[in-house]
Amino acid sequence: GDSVTQMEGPVTLSEEAFLTINCTYTATGYPSLFWYVQYPGEGLQLLLKATKADDKGSNKGFEATYRKETTSFHLEKGSVQVSDSAVYFCALINSGTYKYIFGTGTRLKVLA
Amino acid sequence: DAGVIQSPRHEVTEMGQEVTLRCKPISGHDYLFWYRQTMMRGLELLIYFNNNVPIDDSGMPEDRFSAKMPNASFSTLKIQPSEPRDSAVYFCASSSGGETQYFGPGTRLLVL
Repeated sequence: GDSVTQMEGPVTLSEEAFLTINCTYTATGYPSLFWYVQYPGEGLQLLLKATKADDKGSNKGFEATYRKETTSFHLEKGSVQVSDSAVYFCALINSGTYKYIFGTGTRLKVLA
Repeated sequence: DAGVIQSPRHEVTEMGQEVTLRCKPISGHDYLFWYRQTMMRGLELLIYFNNNVPIDDSGMPEDRFSAKMPNASFSTLKIQPSEPRDSAVYFCASSSGGETQYFGPGTRLLVL
């Protein structure tokens, strides 16, 4: 079945460091890919998405490119801030269904 | 828009009691999803509705769980009787068209 694999956390970085959170997926067909962010005590918020191969999603300085050849959707940010500390979830949804397949989440902690 | 509204935000109950969680989706959204989040199992989709009709309840753990959507602006998730292993954060999400989902703040349930 479909699945999403994220790198284990927690990831601890200093402010202004470069961030990469790896995400790979297994899916039949042509899924859409998402990154969601969950701040402490809150629900998940959509961060960015990409719906087809080679699409790049971007928002708030975060980017991820849909790579079909490597079945990956890695999240990157050039310079993290303390306010980026949160849990990040990679997810996919296959066409014709509305069921997200979520990764296990990666906790990011940014130190001042 | 106020976003997805969930109540209560926190619930503490004793084993064997009935628990009812409530959700008001974003106005105009035609899909509603119930998720459960635990440290051990991550995010699990319990059930989702389209136009108030349950479409897939394969994630509902057992008969103690039931969900209803009597109209487009209200849904409930009921656990009867509750057990300590039901302790989790329960999220409601809504969507227009089913793909990008907007999550509520969650209900943190503790069953003693």
